[in-house]
Amino acid sequence: DAKTTQPPSMDCAEGRAANLPCNHSTISGNEYVYWYRQIHSQGPQYIIHGLKNNETNEMASLIITEDRKSSTLILPHATLRDTAVYYCIARSYNTDKLIFGTGTRLQVFP
Amino acid sequence: SQTIHQWPATLVQPVGSPLSLECTVEGTSNPNLYWYRQAAGRGLQLLFYSVGIGQISSEVPQNLSASRPQDRQFILSSKKLLLSDSGFYLCAWTPDPSTDTQYFGPGTRLTVL
Repeated sequence: DAKTTQPPSMDCAEGRAANLPCNHSTISGNEYVYWYRQIHSQGPQYIIHGLKNNETNEMASLIITEDRKSSTLILPHATLRDTAVYYCIARSYNTDKLIFGTGTRLQVFP
Repeated sequence: SQTIHQWPATLVQPVGSPLSLECTVEGTSNPNLYWYRQAAGRGLQLLFYSVGIGQISSEVPQNLSASRPQDRQFILSSKKLLLSDSGFYLCAWTPDPSTDTQYFGPGTRLTVL
């Protein structure tokens, strides 16, 4: 699976959009980009995933560049409860494993 | 709906003692099951995964073992705990390996003294 690179930490004001970047320059054609988050002392929570097209669900939007070498997770209106570590994972379609990196610690402040 | 349970929630054990952590999934059949460990301030490390009863794959050599005696039950064990076994242990499941959206349990925080 491709390695992903994320900034270690980011801040965001409550009510503003949080844009979390992820680089996956070695991603291959059959690897999906997954995003999870982990609120302190809880298990990770699935957010969204995509292959080529941009995706949106009730939690977030995922923007994948045309060359697929990077992506951005967007939380449109961040709340204090969105404070968590966000993990970007590139995973092959035909494997059963997720390889978690160290993620981005997002701090939403009032 | 599907639910994943882990117990105990917290555990303090002396070095050299045995360990048994249990994970069960409700509301599904034949899930893929996973054990992860998260050391303090670190990312998640995949320890074991299972695609069926009695089928266990180990990702890293270690002091731990896993078993799957029933379809929806996954157990993590050790005969003799080490200090380095301390951490947050998470069980996860996938209803459909082709999508591999994993759902995590609440975790067990293990402290080995």
